[in-house]
Amino acid sequence: QSALTQPASVSGSPGQSITISCTGTSSDVGAYKYVSWYHQHPGKAPKLIIYDVSNRPSGVSNRFSGSKSGNTASLTISGLQAEDEADYYCTSYSGSTTLVFGTGTKVTVL
Amino acid sequence: QVQLVQSGSELKKPGASVKVSCKASGYTFTSYGMNWVRQAPGQGPEWMGWINTNTGNPTYAQGFTGRFVFALDTSVNTAYLQISSLSTEDTAVYYCARDSRYFVFDPWGQGTLVTVSS
Repeated sequence: QSALTQPASVSGSPGQSITISCTGTSSDVGAYKYVSWYHQHPGKAPKLIIYDVSNRPSGVSNRFSGSKSGNTASLTISGLQAEDEADYYCTSYSGSTTLVFGTGTKVTVL
Repeated sequence: QVQLVQSGSELKKPGASVKVSCKASGYTFTSYGMNWVRQAPGQGPEWMGWINTNTGNPTYAQGFTGRFVFALDTSVNTAYLQISSLSTEDTAVYYCARDSRYFVFDPWGQGTLVTVSS
C-alpha cells in the first residue's frame, strides 16, 4: 500500500489553531473509521493522541481534535503551545488486517 | 501501568541476524495483539506487521516477508522480532506497540536501534 499523504510541515504561532491533513483513498481512510494520530518528539517513541477518527485517549489534551471527510482525515491543534512542536503521523486501517502510516508532518511553533 | 520495555541497541555486521525483545507488563499479554514498526533514520514510521498473542499467528506487511519473523514467549510476556541476513538498509529504530483497540497503537516500547555496519 502507498503511504497516506500529509503536508511536510505546518507552522503556527502560540495560541493559534492549525490543521494537518491526511489524504488516503477509498480503500483506507475513506473506507474505515480506524484513523489514528500520533505525535513524536525527537528521540522519543510516537504517542497516541487520536483514535477512531475523533476519539481522544484519557490524558490527552482536548486541544487535539480529529475529523474525517471522504478520503481525507484531519487533525486540529487549537491553542498551539511550544510543547506541540513535534512530528505528527496519521495511520489508517487498509483492509485485510493491514495498516498504513502517513508521510508525517513537522509542526513548528513560531 | 501498561508498559513495553525493549532490549538495548544492537550493532551488527551485514549478513548477521538480530533478535529484538519487547517485554510487556501491567496487562494480560495474550489479550492484545503486538505490532512491530520500523523507523529508518530521518524517515517516518513504517508498519511491519503484527502478531496475535493469543494464537501466535503473525501477519507481515508487504516488504517484510522472508527475513522477518515475529515470535512470542507467553510465559514471560515477551514478543520478539528476528531479522536475518541484515543489510545496511535495515539500520533503523524498531518499535513494538500494543494493539489497544483495532489497529490503535498504545503504548509503544521505547524503541531499539539496530545499526548494520561493516
